[in-house]
Amino acid sequence: GAVVSQHPSRVICKSGTSVKIECRSLDFQATTMFWYRQFPKKSLMLMATSNEGSKATYEQGVEKDKFLINHASLTLSTLTVTSAHPEDSSFYICSAREGTRSDEQYFGPGTRLTVT
Amino acid sequence: AQSVAQPEDQVNVAEGNPLTVKCTYSVSGNPYLFWYVQYPNRGLQFLLKYITGDNLVKGSYGFEAEFNKSQTSFHLKKPSALVSDSALYFCAVSGSGTYKYIFGTGTRLKVLA
Repeated sequence: GAVVSQHPSRVICKSGTSVKIECRSLDFQATTMFWYRQFPKKSLMLMATSNEGSKATYEQGVEKDKFLINHASLTLSTLTVTSAHPEDSSFYICSAREGTRSDEQYFGPGTRLTVT
Repeated sequence: AQSVAQPEDQVNVAEGNPLTVKCTYSVSGNPYLFWYVQYPNRGLQFLLKYITGDNLVKGSYGFEAEFNKSQTSFHLKKPSALVSDSALYFCAVSGSGTYKYIFGTGTRLKVLA
């Protein structure tokens, strides 16, 4: 149990375009989902926390208008990178927290974004 | 403010030898502590966690960790390393009730045959 999927696993887009990444909890309801960004050989940086049906809470320094997060249902959150630039290229990882087991996050496999 | 330190960027150990990956933390209140492992281009896999109770926590793949409150440490250990244990290991902490993880910088473990 407690499986989180991400789609796509890899995406290449052109500078100036937008790309959407989906994060799904497959066998549980995720009251909270988290989006992280990981730079090469670096740790995970929390970008934002999203709760189903409400606006995401962004960490300091993360541009809300650039990284749009939607948590439309208890099993789906999306991250849209708008007007992507090469510096947005990174590994994006989502995680989900189940309401009844609140102390643990379940991580997705990650999405490699390359902006050309 | 919450923080996690993994003082070693890389740990090398010979196969069959015991391994230790260090983690220290700073958090107000009772900490929730976690270890995750990441293989190349993959997400994080859960190894173990400490919430409360016995200070020695046993987890997946033969790993264990010891919570030491006085030293604010949560070192990851394994009695006998395998080459397949080579990966990137992350320690994370969250304060009770916050649900947000703060990750350490990661330690790359290399197990040499």
